[in-house]
Parts: sequence; structure tokens; C-alpha cells
Amino acid sequence: QVQLLQSGPGLVKPSETLSLTCNVSGGSISSYFWSWIRQPAGKGLEWIGRIYTSGTTNYNPSLKSRVTMSVDTSKNQFSLKLNSVSAADTAVYYCAREESVSGRSFDYWDQGTLVTVSS
Amino acid sequence: DIQMTQSPSSLSASVGDRITITCRASQSINNYLSWYQQRPGKAPKLLIFSAFSLQSGVPSRFSGSGSGTDFTLTISSLQPEDFATYYCQQSYSTPRTFGQGTKVEIK
Repeated sequence: QVQLLQSGPGLVKPSETLSLTCNVSGGSISSYFWSWIRQPAGKGLEWIGRIYTSGTTNYNPSLKSRVTMSVDTSKNQFSLKLNSVSAADTAVYYCAREESVSGRSFDYWDQGTLVTVSS
Repeated sequence: DIQMTQSPSSLSASVGDRITITCRASQSINNYLSWYQQRPGKAPKLLIFSAFSLQSGVPSRFSGSGSGTDFTLTISSLQPEDFATYYCQQSYSTPRTFGQGTKVEIK
């Protein structure tokens, strides 16, 4: 059973960089797209972007200038960096696997991490 | 970006009711449409993929239909654990986009 476990600080200061890592266990990280998705309190889901195990990325144009994703297949983990954060970036951040054979849906999610941007 | 519009935004229903949630895409997405259930404080859970395929372990009272731009999620007989927020999501193109959600509440 695939499990995703996210790590990273829950509090980030304005203008600094938010950094999160998602560790994949119970299965290989290879040959999948891995996404980051966020959800402000009481609001809907926003896709931040994704990375393939080759390193290929796709970012949401709304965040593209501030986002960097990376993958470390030797550690079975992938990471998100979002720079120049503001209060508008306060949200629960999820990492998720995009299933690649049929439907391309998000079939595995982690439990989510609340990241608060505040001084 | 492909816009996903769900209706209604919320609904009240009773245990045993049949409910339908609709999702409309701003352009054709073939059948690259998924449905998720999110309970408070929890991560979304995949219910339906490819518009009508039931994810493993999901009860058969959930069903999906549609293609192109118009899709529906139906719960044939609401159970207490089904009171949650439901989201549709397209995976036809990037950026992946979600509907705004439909909150199903107890009447």
C-alpha cells in the first residue's frame, strides 16, 4: 500500500521560502507524476504543479514564477519550494500521486500539512 | 486553463436520499474527469476516475456518468458517512483544475 508522508515547517515568514518534502513508501516513486495541491482554510483545491521521476515538471501558471519542484528517486521523495510567500499562501498543502494508466486521477494523498505564513 | 463548474454549491439531504451533483467543463475533456470526497480535516479521497470508473474499495452506491463537458456524480442512497464535500477534477490538460466543491449536509 502506497503511503505518502510529508515533512516541513508549519510556519514560514513573509517573503521567505516555503519548503516541503514528501516521502513515498510502499511502492516505487518511478514512472509516476507527483503533484502538490493546496487548500486555503474553508476554500477549494488548487493544483500547484507536478514532477515526473525524470525531473520533468509542469507548474500552474498562477504560481510558476515562484515554484520549484525536485525529485530524488534514490530517497523515494520529492520536494516543493515556493518563494516570496505571503499570507495568501497560507493553506493546507497536500502531496499526491497522479495515476498514469487510466484516468490520470490523484489516487494517493498524504494527510496534508498546514503551512501558515506569518511573522 | 479549463474551468470546472459544479452545481449545486451545497445541498441538504436525508439518509437514504438519492442525490446528484453536476460538473461542467469549459471545454471538452473527453472522460478525463475524477470525483473526490473530502471529509472535514481529511485529505480528499478518490471515488470515481475516467468519469464513471469506481475506485477500488468505494461503495457501489457511488456512480459517475458523462463525457465531453458535462458530468454527474450520483449517490443512490445517502449514508451518514457520505455527508462531506465533493469535488470534480479534470486531468485532460495542465494545469489540473478542480470544481469549487459541493457540500452535502444533513437535512
